[in-house]
Amino acid sequence: QLQLVQSGTEVKEPGASIKVSCRASGRAFSGYYLHWVRQAPGQGLEWMAWVNPNSGATKNAQMFEGRLSVTRDTSTTTVFMELSGLRYDDTATYYCARTDFGSGAFDFWGPGTLLNVSS
Amino acid sequence: SYVVTQPPSVSVAPGQTATITCEGDNIGRKSVHWYQQKPGQAPVLVISYDSDRPSGIPTRFSGSNSGNTATVTISRVEAGDEADYYCQLWENSGAQRYVVFGGGTRLTVL
Repeated sequence: QLQLVQSGTEVKEPGASIKVSCRASGRAFSGYYLHWVRQAPGQGLEWMAWVNPNSGATKNAQMFEGRLSVTRDTSTTTVFMELSGLRYDDTATYYCARTDFGSGAFDFWGPGTLLNVSS
Repeated sequence: SYVVTQPPSVSVAPGQTATITCEGDNIGRKSVHWYQQKPGQAPVLVISYDSDRPSGIPTRFSGSNSGNTATVTISRVEAGDEADYYCQLWENSGAQRYVVFGGGTRLTVL
């Protein structure tokens, strides 16, 4: 069964880093991009990055350049999103989701990981 | 970077037709996807590639894309259609591609 299993809720202080994981079942890992999309409370969807699990290639949204790292572990079919220099406005739900390698849609989403940045 | 604009809100009475737009420069040349998101839930794909309906999406949902405007239309609106709707597309940046979301439209069923 197709699954994207994300790590649990996190609370971090400003300036800290967070690493969120998304473990994909076989069908969701190979042959698709896996993305990170976040949503601040009451706000819209914000695309952050994609990773090609096959090659490890990544692309980050410009606004996160320098503090976002997306990686993958093929042995565990897991992708990771690490965000550093956390700010209060990084408080959000972070989703992993997949698309195909074309101009595809997000056809499957993880349940989301809630991050609360608070002192 | 490429910008797409959605109206913040649309209101419609039950049984009527709701139209939600997504505007961008020559957006008709791109493939646009639409998502429905209800409170506390992950988004759900309702229209892909401008006008395709994924399995399980009611035929009341339809899409079109031409010129500078992509549109999702919901016919015979029901209370359960009340949600936020987002358009999404891919754009090129040099040799790499990135994803763009619209700001979202809150559909209120009166």
